[in-house]
Amino acid sequence: GENVEQHPSTLSVQEGDSAVIKCTYSDSASNYFPWYKQELGKGPQLIIDIRSNVGEKKDQRIAVTLNKTAKHFSLHITETQPEDSAVYFCAASMNNQGGKLIFGQGTELSVKP
Amino acid sequence: EAGVAQSPRYKIIEKRQSVAFWCNPISGHATLYWYQQILGQGPKLLIQFQNNGVVDDSQLPKDRFSAERLKGVDSTLKIQPAKLEDSAVYLCASSLGSGDQPQHFGDGTRLSIL
Repeated sequence: GENVEQHPSTLSVQEGDSAVIKCTYSDSASNYFPWYKQELGKGPQLIIDIRSNVGEKKDQRIAVTLNKTAKHFSLHITETQPEDSAVYFCAASMNNQGGKLIFGQGTELSVKP
Repeated sequence: EAGVAQSPRYKIIEKRQSVAFWCNPISGHATLYWYQQILGQGPKLLIQFQNNGVVDDSQLPKDRFSAERLKGVDSTLKIQPAKLEDSAVYLCASSLGSGDQPQHFGDGTRLSIL
């Protein structure tokens, strides 16, 4: 079955710097890749997603890139702010699996003011 | 629009007791998911419903876990009897349909087993 690896597990940056989180997936049939932000005591919040027919997507300070050949995708956050501090999860799913999300292990991002 | 509602937010029980969680998805969402999130890990799918039918329950420990979505809207997840390793956050998510439709999560129920 699908396996998603996420790195790094923790990331500390200064306010204003950029942060990059990387994920790899194992099944080339995966075609949908969402990113979630989870704050303490809250459920995962969808922040951006990308489908396999697109190589890059951007929404204000957040961007995601997808390399289908290498089977990896990355989250880029620019001009980080303290409120970006949270745990970020990548996930992958396949249409023929009903949309079941396979999550990475999470990255704890800390933005220091 | 209102988000996914879950209750209770917290539950503490002793091992071998039973417990039930409730989920009300976003209005109009046909697909409902229950995920288990153990501390420090990503969520793992337990069961997926499309309307009131089960699409995927391959990861549900059926000897102790059960779930239903009788009218295709609200859903309940039950554990009986609970084991220590069931301590986790139980998250409900919903989407318009299956496949590559965005899933929206509730805040979960944090279950502690003593």
